[in-house]
Amino acid sequence: GAGVSQTPSNKVTEKGKYVELRCDPISGHTALYWYRQSLGQGPEFLIYFQGTGAADDSGLPNDRFFAVRPEGSVSTLKIQRTERGDSAVYLCASSLNPGQDNGYTFGSGTRLTVV
Amino acid sequence: AQSVTQLGSHVSVSEGALVLLRCNYSSSVPPYLFWYVQYPNQGLQLLLKYTSAATLVKGINGFEAEFKKSETSFHLTKPSAHMSDAAEYFCAVRFSGSARQLTFGSGTQLTVLP
Repeated sequence: GAGVSQTPSNKVTEKGKYVELRCDPISGHTALYWYRQSLGQGPEFLIYFQGTGAADDSGLPNDRFFAVRPEGSVSTLKIQRTERGDSAVYLCASSLNPGQDNGYTFGSGTRLTVV
Repeated sequence: AQSVTQLGSHVSVSEGALVLLRCNYSSSVPPYLFWYVQYPNQGLQLLLKYTSAATLVKGINGFEAEFKKSETSFHLTKPSAHMSDAAEYFCAVRFSGSARQLTFGSGTQLTVLP
């Protein structure tokens, strides 16, 4: 597609539930990143994919968070047993290749609210 | 620890006035530096980047930033503010050895007064 697409744009879930957030990167972009932006703060790195594999998952806060990219394009961020502290905007970004330092193209994000 | 600091969470300027948004980073090795802008309900958009070429970098919408190694700074400026510049601005750094992740500052909300 023309840009990075994230769905849903908004998600409200109850504490303890499981959620999936989807990211559709720009066609042909091999690198994909997930960030989390809490209210009043800058985005924080979660995980980076190069192709199908997670090249760096050091930002995932705990084992309730998991992300996949099975075919090297669309990625899904999965959060188990959601907590109120997980409420944030989850941003996805992609870039043509990891060696390209042109910055990333970000999606508009998914606003997750855990009640 | 490597960090990015944006001084001033809120900055207000009059239309036509100089815009100056400050960014400092902590690293002994010059990193890659970026400025992003975020309009309400939109994704982050790249304004400009420094990747070890010219220290004065020009970006979109009339913005520019100067890398000063001695001050570990990368301040964003625009000579004359426009109403459409009102947004949140983030400084981001890719530190040496940190793979591809960016470390963001906490952001500066720019308000432009008529």
